[in-house]
Amino acid sequence: AQKVTQAQTEISVVEKEDVTLDCVYETRDTTYYLFWYKQPPSGELVFLIRRNSFDEQNEISGRYSWNFQKSTSSFNFTITASQVVDSAVYFCALSVQDGTASKLTFGTGTRLQVTL
Amino acid sequence: DTGVSQDPRHKITKRGQNVTFRCDPISEHNRLYWYRQTLGQGPEFLTYFQNEAQLEKSRLLSDRFSAERPKGSFSTLEIQRTEQGDSAMYLCASSLLAAGYTFGSGTRLTVV
Repeated sequence: AQKVTQAQTEISVVEKEDVTLDCVYETRDTTYYLFWYKQPPSGELVFLIRRNSFDEQNEISGRYSWNFQKSTSSFNFTITASQVVDSAVYFCALSVQDGTASKLTFGTGTRLQVTL
Repeated sequence: DTGVSQDPRHKITKRGQNVTFRCDPISEHNRLYWYRQTLGQGPEFLTYFQNEAQLEKSRLLSDRFSAERPKGSFSTLEIQRTEQGDSAMYLCASSLLAAGYTFGSGTRLTVV
């Protein structure tokens, strides 16, 4: 069975601070995908990134960066120079090729509050 | 095509009533998923369609729940004899094969 752990329930930062959201996953599959989603108060899940298990290169997209380390089964997400608009719940998720479904297993989310 | 649409956005119902939600996926996406999200939790998988075939159902999907996807287009999720524990956000997602998922805004169900 798959499992995703986001140990940080809630984080509060002041605007312009950097913040890292942790994600640890468990799976016995060698082929899998890792995702991050943002859920603003409106409720929609906004896709941020997908990374497959064979690609451990870190990725940067604007103020967002992701650090994937298979050795520690972690896929952490850093926001640089945070802004109030970054306030949301962030979910890490894992997908394996399970039959034909490729369903997502989500963590419990980290609520990020960015204040002025 | 502007994404995955879900209707209604909010539904309040009395315990014991039946409710039905609708999801319109991105038109070229052949895969459709339903997830349920309770307060303070991440979404949990309910069921999956590839085209019109329902290929997998979670044990979370009790006999009171039924989902359909006629003609492989829109999907409906019906809950019969609703219970207070059914109160949650019901999210629909679609994808093309195993590529990235696109989620809808969800239907928030409140059972009173």
